[in-house]
Amino acid sequence: KAGVTQTPRYLIKTRGQQVTLSCSPISGHRSVSWYQQTPGQGLQFLFEYFSETQRNKGNFPGRFSGRQFSNSRSEMNVSTLELGDSALYLCASSPRLAGDTYEQYFGPGTRLTVT
Amino acid sequence: GEDVEQSLFLSVREGDSSVINCTYTDSSSTYLYWYKQEPGAGLQLLTYIFSNMDMKQDQRLTVLLNKKDKHLSLRIADTQTGDSAIYFCAVFTYNQGGKLIFGQGTELSVKP
Repeated sequence: KAGVTQTPRYLIKTRGQQVTLSCSPISGHRSVSWYQQTPGQGLQFLFEYFSETQRNKGNFPGRFSGRQFSNSRSEMNVSTLELGDSALYLCASSPRLAGDTYEQYFGPGTRLTVT
Repeated sequence: GEDVEQSLFLSVREGDSSVINCTYTDSSSTYLYWYKQEPGAGLQLLTYIFSNMDMKQDQRLTVLLNKKDKHLSLRIADTQTGDSAIYFCAVFTYNQGGKLIFGQGTELSVKP
């Protein structure tokens, strides 16, 4: 099975711009979660989508949003970029079946640099 | 809120055993995981343990769970230079619909 793919791998944006990141989960997985990784804050949960619905959300401002499509692919959008948004954004997919072990499989990440 | 703590650095000699420790606060955590991250890469799931287990062994990896003390450890036997990476402990919490809470990561350095 192909793993989780994320595009683009690297991105440079200017403060105030917006950005869209894409994630394709493992085939058959219906849950996609997004995380932000920075040296200072570590790995922080952004949100999870399951069957096209946002299932839960972390403590991030409304500038961070996402969506999931019927094929389980997910996009994450950040509007009005700030310097502090520079980070590695990781996407993880999970089958999220009843009684499963909730393990998540991560993609390689998108490295976003805001200048 | 939930918290997961790890020591930041560990250095070992090739061939020795490595033990990476983790403590957590959420007593309702059902699944606990260990992930590995190599430079420039995403997180690789190494192993997980269910909260009603004390130990799980998977080839060179041994996970020990002390639920009373909320302490989790990962032992890597016969550590190799290729094991050099950052290791993250994560716990699954049902709060807010279910999510993973990660520790800060332990950077393992293996010296030849």
